[in-house]
Amino acid sequence: GAGVSQSPSNKVTEKGKDVELRCDPISGHTALYWYRQSLGQGLEFLIYFQGNSAPDKSGLPSDRFSAERTGGSVSTLTIQRTQQEDSAVYLCASSSRQRGAGEQYFGPGTRLTVT
Amino acid sequence: RKEVEQDPGPFNVPEGATVAFNCTYSNSASQSFFWYRQDCRKEPKLLMSVYSSGNEDGRFTAQLNRASQYISLLIRDSKLSDSATYLCVVKVLTGGGNKLTFGTGTQLKVEL
Repeated sequence: GAGVSQSPSNKVTEKGKDVELRCDPISGHTALYWYRQSLGQGLEFLIYFQGNSAPDKSGLPSDRFSAERTGGSVSTLTIQRTQQEDSAVYLCASSSRQRGAGEQYFGPGTRLTVT
Repeated sequence: RKEVEQDPGPFNVPEGATVAFNCTYSNSASQSFFWYRQDCRKEPKLLMSVYSSGNEDGRFTAQLNRASQYISLLIRDSKLSDSATYLCVVKVLTGGGNKLTFGTGTQLKVEL
């Protein structure tokens, strides 16, 4: 079946512009996670959705970052007034609540470059 | 101190060798443990869960020592296709739900 998809796969933007990154989780997966991974670094947790609510936003690095999820499915991560340090691969993952958060299925990521 | 610590490597080993990776975690309330694999410029994928009694999946063996807060992964008879970064992952139940914390990974290169 279809896995997690993300768009765009690559995004180059100028400093100060806003960007939107999209994630389509696996159908029926109620939990959705956003992470980012900088070159040579580990995965940094950003935000977790259970359904449409976000019980854990603790990883969002600043108020320039926000995310929403609608219909318990698609999620959008928005970065306002992008900075060069925002350059990273943004990964989305989903999991089935019944299986817990142990097995998360990741999308291919969006590679964001801020020039 | 990082919540999950791993030796970044790289570990360069010949094909057929046995290699072991270690990982330590700082949160004693951690509930579950996993190893994920990440190929170059690809997304992470679950390799195996780690159980207290230790568990094996083919050439891969995982061990957990809760007292020492230590996790290991052993790969026997390594193949070229095992070359990847191995991520140690810890799950903690927080007020916001289950949360996975990823280590920065250990890079393995299997060579002819």
